[in-house]
Amino acid sequence: DTAVSQTPKYLVTQMGNDKSIKCEQNLGHDTMYWYKQDSKKFLKIMFSYNNKELIINETVPNRFSPKSPDKAHLNLHINSLELGDSAVYFCASSQANNEKLFFGSGTQLSVL
Amino acid sequence: QKEVEQDPGPLSVPEGAIVSLNCTYSNSAFQYFMWYRQYSRKGPELLMYTYSSGNKEDGRFTAQVDKSSKYISLFIRDSQPSDSATYLCAMSGVTGGGNKLTFGTGTQLKVEL
Repeated sequence: DTAVSQTPKYLVTQMGNDKSIKCEQNLGHDTMYWYKQDSKKFLKIMFSYNNKELIINETVPNRFSPKSPDKAHLNLHINSLELGDSAVYFCASSQANNEKLFFGSGTQLSVL
Repeated sequence: QKEVEQDPGPLSVPEGAIVSLNCTYSNSAFQYFMWYRQYSRKGPELLMYTYSSGNKEDGRFTAQVDKSSKYISLFIRDSQPSDSATYLCAMSGVTGGGNKLTFGTGTQLKVEL
């Protein structure tokens, strides 16, 4: 009964490939997020989705595109992967406008 | 200068010690302060949540906020090996969800037997 689950846990791929990460939450939350954590453990917001409203961090390249089929799911698609995309990507959710976040276990992405 | 500064450690203490973890920040608009604990290869989990200045206690954990000094602390009493993790502070100026959160880079704590 994992609250926020994301797959896959590990993703190793070549530069230039396209990949997707899936996320699902069973907490009934209205808002879901994608965060990126670099090698120095710095967590940075990439996107949030709240009741079909997408809020994008302007520093995120447009190769990254979130897709939310419903409020329990938020997937992340990445085109033309680059070496610098290697990081841990965390999905999270919260009640609307609430900063108490519940995180998934992360997807370790390695671009070779 | 980063908006939130946190000593990365690693901090190594013996079991039973009192641990003090700290963050400083520059944005005087921050009002909501959180501590997240992150075990290796896991996602962060919310440990403490405080609003404005003051103290909050939960079991062995005490969160302290000093807005005049722009300084927050997390104290862990009677530390246990299971407390070994990275501790991330986070803060925001308005209640507006995770979009508004600014995280510190985390302090790695190791509690040794």
